[in-house]
Amino acid sequence: EAGVTQSPTHLIKTRGQQATLRCSPISGHTSVYWYQQALGLGLQFLLWYDEGEERNRGNFPPRFSGRQFPNYSSELNVNALELEDSALYLCASSHTGLQGYFGPGTRLTVL
Amino acid sequence: TQLLEQSPQFLSIQEGENLTVYCNSSSVFSSLQWYRQEPGEGPVLLVTVVTGGEVKKLKRLTFQFGDARKDSSLHITAAQPGDTGLYLCAGLLMKTSYDKVIFGPGTSLSVIP
Repeated sequence: EAGVTQSPTHLIKTRGQQATLRCSPISGHTSVYWYQQALGLGLQFLLWYDEGEERNRGNFPPRFSGRQFPNYSSELNVNALELEDSALYLCASSHTGLQGYFGPGTRLTVL
Repeated sequence: TQLLEQSPQFLSIQEGENLTVYCNSSSVFSSLQWYRQEPGEGPVLLVTVVTGGEVKKLKRLTFQFGDARKDSSLHITAAQPGDTGLYLCAGLLMKTSYDKVIFGPGTSLSVIP
């Protein structure tokens, strides 16, 4: 069974640009969670999508947004990139809502 | 604000040594998970503990959930270089879903050959 996949592996942008990150959950999982892991900090919850709807968002500004597609894959968009947005962005999927399976992450670097 | 604390923050040991890392909170959790994360990779789930006092063994790794479900420990016997990584604990509060999981800051373990 394929695990959670994320693309791209690495993404380099400049300040003010927009970034789009993608996640494909494990087959059969309907929930997708996005996290930001900045250097030296723990995992910070960004967004939760389930059955195509945004169910919850963490304490991040509105320029962090996303969506979930009918096949349950998800996209995270970060607009007006700032230097401090540089981080590893992790996606996790879940079927039960009690346990998450993480993808390898997208390393976003903002110059 | 619920917090999960992990100690030690950093640990460097020689191959073959034993070690224990800790995860503590003032909150009661319905379950607690341990993950290992290697550099540039996502966290990989090692174990989920649910019952207070529960002990789970995974080869050389022993996980214990505190009786009051507020703390947990991870003991590694005869550490190997492959055990190197960031060990994260994550607690799920009662009657909440995975978006409410609280992650600790992690213990960074380095096992020197």
